[in-house]
This record gives sequence, structure tokens and C-alpha cells, in this order.
Amino acid sequence: AQKITQTQPGMFVQEKEAVTLDCTYDTSDPSYGLFWYKQPSSGEMIFLIYQGSYDQQNATEGRYSLNFQKARKSANLVISASQLGDSAMYFCAMPGGSTLGRLYFGRGTQLTVWP
Amino acid sequence: EAQVTQNPRYLITVTGKKLTVTCSQNMNHEYMSWYRQDPGLGLRQIYYSMNVEVTDKGDVPEGYKVSRKEKRNFPLILESPSPNQTSLYFCASSPGTGSTEAFFGQGTRLTVV
Repeated sequence: AQKITQTQPGMFVQEKEAVTLDCTYDTSDPSYGLFWYKQPSSGEMIFLIYQGSYDQQNATEGRYSLNFQKARKSANLVISASQLGDSAMYFCAMPGGSTLGRLYFGRGTQLTVWP
Repeated sequence: EAQVTQNPRYLITVTGKKLTVTCSQNMNHEYMSWYRQDPGLGLRQIYYSMNVEVTDKGDVPEGYKVSRKEKRNFPLILESPSPNQTSLYFCASSPGTGSTEAFFGQGTRLTVV
């Protein structure tokens, strides 16, 4: 089974600064992907970004980018120019390899953006 | 609009009283899953389904049942709820290909007293 580790229970960043949320993973699959989701205080899960293991370039979606380092088995989320609305819980997740339709989640990082 | 709909959003019930949380998706996705979210533990999968009449246990299936009689619906059944099933529950669906994100329902906050 896949294993996802998020070692930062909480992070704080000042508005307009960049912040990196850490995610490391462990898998025996030769091909895999990593997702990041955002969960605001209202509770819904919002898809942010995806990176496949064979993608040549790091994924970017607006202010979100993935710092994907396969050798280190890390897929860190970088949020540039933080906004107050970025305050939320962030989850890293990996599909279940041969078991399609499954996602394995990390425990999450609570990000707080202060003015 | 493509969506996953869960009902109810909030539920308070008593120990032992059977309940069902419904989940419906309108995207013709083959794969559907149920997760529970607890503080400090992230989301853990309860059950998942690869297609109609095909289901399998996730990581925390004890105390739960599911069924997939139609492609669009995947209800979660708690036959005899207990307080340790107090949690935030999410239903999700996906077409199954690895690069496509899972679509999540709005969540159901369940409290068992």
C-alpha cells in the first residue's frame, strides 16, 4: 500500500509570502501520481494540483506549484503570494496503484495566513 | 453540473439506531469511495467500489456496510452506530484513471451519542 507522510501539523505564513507544505511518499509502483487537496473550514475538499511520476516538468496551477523530487520521494506544495483565503487544511494524497479508485491521504497540514 | 451529492450534511443520532448516508454522482464514474476524517488522522478509506455490484473493504471497514446496485449511487450504512463512529464522512467518485482527481461530496458530519 502507498504511504503518505505530512510532517507539519501546522504552518504559519504572512500574507503575500510564499510557503512550502511538505509531503513525502512511499510506493513500490513504477508509475504513480500525487494529488494535493485543500479543505477550508467549511469542510469541502477542493482539488488543487496533480503530478504524475513521469511528467517531465513540475506541475503548476496558478499560485500553486508542485516541487516534485522523485529521488527524495517528496512532492511539496508551494503556494506563492499567500492570501488570507489560503488558510485551510491541506492534504497530500496518492492513488492506490493497481487498486484504481482508492486514494491514500497524509494527515494534513493546517495552514494559517496572517495579515 | 458535475457533482457528488451526499445527504444528510449533518446528523446526530443515538447509539444503535441504524442509519444510511446517501451518495449520488452524475458523472457516470465507475469508482466510488467512502472516507472518514478524524482530527490528526487525515482521511481513511472505509469502502470502495469499482463498479456496480463490485465493492471492497478499505482501511477501516468495521461497523459499516455499502452497496452498489446502481452506478450513480453508493450508500453508506451503519447498522448499529457507536460513538467511535462520530466523524466527518466523505463520498468520492472518479473515472478511475490515475491522473484524474477524485470528486468529493460536501461531507456529512455524524455525531453518535
